[in-house]
This record gives sequence, C-alpha cells and structure tokens, in this order.
Amino acid sequence: SSEVTQDPAVSVALGQTVRITCQGDSLRSYYASWYQQKPRQAPILVIYNKNNRPSGIPDRFSGSSSGNTASLTITGAQAEDEADYYCNSWDSSGNHVVFGGGTKLTVL
Amino acid sequence: QLQLQESAPGLVKPSETLSLTCTVSGGSISSGSYYWSWIRQPAGKGLEWVGRLYTSGTTNYNPSLKSRVTISVDTSKNQFSLKLNSVTAADTAVYYCAREKLTIVYDAFDIWGQGTMVTVSS
Repeated sequence: SSEVTQDPAVSVALGQTVRITCQGDSLRSYYASWYQQKPRQAPILVIYNKNNRPSGIPDRFSGSSSGNTASLTITGAQAEDEADYYCNSWDSSGNHVVFGGGTKLTVL
Repeated sequence: QLQLQESAPGLVKPSETLSLTCTVSGGSISSGSYYWSWIRQPAGKGLEWVGRLYTSGTTNYNPSLKSRVTISVDTSKNQFSLKLNSVTAADTAVYYCAREKLTIVYDAFDIWGQGTMVTVSS
C-alpha cells in the first residue's frame, strides 16, 4: 500500500479551478512532486519543490503544501489537462520513493 | 537536450531474468547531481518505483523488490541497466527509466524515457 494517498478521480468544468491532493506523513517534512500522464504516454513532471514548474509547463499549474497534504491546483482547466496525475514523496524510512495511487482528472 | 531510451526484449518467460537497458543521450550520465531510476506501471495501474542508482555505485531499491533487483551503470556507454530475476506475471508492466533529482526537501523525476512494455509469459 502507498504511503501517500490521492483521491481516485476528480472532475472540473472547463475553465474552472481544480485542486488535486496528496496526503501522507512524509509530506510534513518533504515537498511532493507532481506528474501528468496522458494515455499511452510517459509521465511528465509538472511541479517540484513545492511550487516550481519545469520549463514548458503552463503557469496555470501550481503547487502548495500544508501539514501532511500537498496540493496541485490547475487554475482555468483546459481540455488538454484531462489526464492522470501522480504525486511522489518518500516512505517512512526516508530512503525509498513512493507514488500516490493517481488521480484521474476529467474536464467537463 | 537530454533524452532517455529504454531497450528490452519485450517477452520474458516466468522464473527467468528480465534485463533492461536505458541509454542516455544528449548529456553525460556522470555529470550533475542526479540519480538514475527505474519505474514501472502495470496496465491500468499506478506508478511503482523500482530502484535508483548514483554513478558512484550507490543504489536503493524498493523494499518489495529488493531481493530480486539489481541496477548497474556503464558510464563508458552512458547507460544504466535493470535486472529483475525470478519474474512472474505480476512483473508484467511498462518499464520507464528516469532521471531523478534528489535533495533534502524534494525528489523529482524530471526526464523520462518513453517506456517499454515487458510481458512475462511462457
């Protein structure tokens, strides 16, 4: 079982704002990273180090963290944002990577 | 621009050893403070970290796979490799190699290979 948990599915109306969350004790000490994965494609990094975006990631993607919860927010969701989103952090030993189970985002 | 490309046999028989290689192009595997990781994803399921390697030789493995996994590097070929022995159908998945930035406050896989499907079947 994963040591970070995500809601399995979230939906958002086109152009609206959506928050995807990741919960786990390790997130009290470490920042989650977030990945977007579209069908039959490799994941891509969208947020790291709490709220940093790699080059090429639109600024409608942002990250935040509070307590044991990390959040990925998409402000003004677009149709192309429909995808699976994964967070990652560390397990309780601090040596091993864990991924959340993923959140399927549907843009209505 | 750094790119990663996995190569793999595609089909592996149960109880045999799965061997994968990731070729790094557009930069040196030895430069920068990066780790090199393997991640897998069974069809329709989530991501599972398999393990990582630093070019000094340091490795870390997923505890659930540790007894069966070896990750190694060949810096002369700019490649790193995964061996998973005693495979079963549960090891059938898309396998990704990825570059990992590991710091004291975050851990991020910033470059991924396209992934390669490995099927365990007789």
